[in-house]
Amino acid sequence: SAVISQKPSRDICQRGTSLTIQCQVDSQVTMMFWYRQQPGQSLTLIATANQGSEATYESGFVIDKFPISRPNLTFSTLTVSNMSPEDSSIYLCSAPRGSSLSETQYFGPGTRLLVL
Amino acid sequence: AQKVTQAQTEISVVEKEDVTLDCVYETRDTTYYLFWYKQPPSGELVFLIRRNSFDEQNEISGRYSWNFQKSTSSFNFTITASQVVDSAVYFCALSVSGANSKLTFGKGITLSVRP
Repeated sequence: SAVISQKPSRDICQRGTSLTIQCQVDSQVTMMFWYRQQPGQSLTLIATANQGSEATYESGFVIDKFPISRPNLTFSTLTVSNMSPEDSSIYLCSAPRGSSLSETQYFGPGTRLLVL
Repeated sequence: AQKVTQAQTEISVVEKEDVTLDCVYETRDTTYYLFWYKQPPSGELVFLIRRNSFDEQNEISGRYSWNFQKSTSSFNFTITASQVVDSAVYFCALSVSGANSKLTFGKGITLSVRP
């Protein structure tokens, strides 16, 4: 299985501030994904982060609110900007790992964000 | 567009009972990948299985088994002799354009196993 780490594991933030979440993969991957899981809900894809290009955002998510960096093939950051209580969620990054026949998506442990 | 439906929202069983979690998917792609993940109370998403659309063979792994039926677009998950540690939220997910592409998740099923 893959080793994907995230920092911070949890945070409590004030309204109007920003938080940057880091995701580190144990080997090089082309694509990384950022998901949001609102309380009691399923996972929703925020954006796909490819190294060397701009992130691709899903409908309902914009770069100004969720800027993403992908400086190399093992690392990505997601920033939640100008936070409001509605941003309180678990944020998870994922990356595909494994051989071509068994490749699958593994997830980091998530970042639990509470916005007051 | 892809869609995953997990009609069951919450299931409660007594330990040692068998339980089946249903998953129905929709896609126009002929090549796709189906997944099951487990999310225990800790919040981490644990990969359980990946199945390709061209491989309808059912799979068994210990107490877990999966039944993939393309005719009914279903990919159901059965836990045999459930245990308290099986209590978690279980998600079914779908991807097209490769197993490394983005996932579409169902709403999840909360399974509670009582001692």
